[in-house]
Amino acid sequence: AQSVTQLDSHVSVSEGTPVLLRCNYSSSYSPSLFWYVQHPNKGLQLLLKYTSAATLVKGINGFEAEFKKSETSFHLTKPSAHMSDAAEYFCVVSDQGDYKLSFGAGTTVTVRA
Amino acid sequence: DAGVIQSPRHEVTEMGQEVTLRCKPISGHNSLFWYRQTMMRGLELLIYFNNNVPIDDSGMPEDRFSAKMPNASFSTLKIQPSEPRDSAVYFCASSSTGLGYTFGSGTRLTVV
Repeated sequence: AQSVTQLDSHVSVSEGTPVLLRCNYSSSYSPSLFWYVQHPNKGLQLLLKYTSAATLVKGINGFEAEFKKSETSFHLTKPSAHMSDAAEYFCVVSDQGDYKLSFGAGTTVTVRA
Repeated sequence: DAGVIQSPRHEVTEMGQEVTLRCKPISGHNSLFWYRQTMMRGLELLIYFNNNVPIDDSGMPEDRFSAKMPNASFSTLKIQPSEPRDSAVYFCASSSTGLGYTFGSGTRLTVV
């Protein structure tokens, strides 16, 4: 069985400063890991995914995440936050080959001007 | 690619009425999922179809909920009769490899 813990329910940053969203996972097998973003009243958009290739994964809109097996972590970062990054972010895990996704509780990001 | 298309975007209905939510997956995707999102419970998987066949419906709350996928390009989620506690955002998602799903924009259902 797999599960995800997002360590921060809310993150507030100033525009132009780095963003760090923390995610720890547990998985019985080799995991697939994803980050999704949900803007207000919108659907979920895939930011990036890890599927046992390179441990540093680059996604859209300047986001990237690093898979660290020893720490069971998959933290999401962005060097410089934009106002448009204000949204809710979900870390998601699945066992490879399994259709079931386990969603974290979400991290709400606010960006101050 | 138009993505996963859901309709309607918003639905307001009275308790006891039947509600039908619709989804058109991405062409070529063979897996389709219905999710429900609420503040209290987050995102919950309701049902999973593979090649139009329901594989896992263990998340369907009760007999008032039913889902069909008559062909590869269309699925419905029906609630009959609807209750206020069914108010939520319902998402449809599709996938071809399981390596990341594409979600629709959702249907915001309000049952009064």
